[in-house]
Amino acid sequence: SQTIHQWPATLVQPVGSPLSLECTVEGTSNPNLYWYRQAAGRGLQLLFYSVGIGQISSEVPQNLSASRPQDRQFILSSKKLLLSDSGFYLCAWSADRVRQETQYFGPGTRLLVL
Amino acid sequence: LAKTTQPISMDSYEGQEVNITCSHNNIATNDYITWYQQFPSQGPRFIIQGYKTKVTNEVASLFIPADRKSSTLSLPRVSLSDTAVYYCLVRPYSSASKIIFGSGTRLSIRP
Repeated sequence: SQTIHQWPATLVQPVGSPLSLECTVEGTSNPNLYWYRQAAGRGLQLLFYSVGIGQISSEVPQNLSASRPQDRQFILSSKKLLLSDSGFYLCAWSADRVRQETQYFGPGTRLLVL
Repeated sequence: LAKTTQPISMDSYEGQEVNITCSHNNIATNDYITWYQQFPSQGPRFIIQGYKTKVTNEVASLFIPADRKSSTLSLPRVSLSDTAVYYCLVRPYSSASKIIFGSGTRLSIRP
C-alpha cells in the first residue's frame, strides 16, 4: 500500500532563517506531488505541484520554492522565512495521469515563525 | 475552475443523519465532485467522489442532481468522531489537475 511521510512534524523557526520541509511517498511510482499551506481555521492553498522529477509548477508567488530531486521526494524550501509563512504545510500525492485524481495527504508539518 | 459554496458550520447529534449541501453553479461538463474530511492538525482524507446521480461507499453517500449544480454529502448515523471540517471540491477529469479547497463546513456532533 502507498504511504506518504512528512517531516518534521513541528518546526519553530526565527524570521529570516532558512526552511526545508521534506515529503516522501512509498508504494507508488511517478506520482503527482503537491504542496499546500493551511492557515489557522482556513482552507488549503495550493503552493506547488509536480508531475515529474525536476518539474515544478508554482501557483502562488512568494518566497517559497519547491524541488523534486527524486521521483518520490518533494521538498519545500525558503531562503529567508517571513512571519506570514507560519501555517500548516501539507504534502499530497496522486496517481493516474489519465483518470480521476484522488489526492492523498500526508500528516502535515506545523511551522511557526517567530 | 468551478467555485464551490457550502455552509460554514453545522451542528447535529449522535445517531442522526447529516446532509451537507454544496453549490457549484458553474461546474463544467468534465468536472468531478469530491469530498474530503479533515480533523484538526491532520491532512484531509478522501471521503467520496462522483459525477452524477448517486454514489455510496462504506462511509457516506453522495447525491448529485441532474443539473449537477449542487451536491449533497450524506453521513448516516453520525458519531462524535465525525466532528471535522468537510470540503467540497470540483475539479476537472484531467492530468495534473489542481484542486482548489474552499473554507469547508465545520461539522460539530453533540452527544
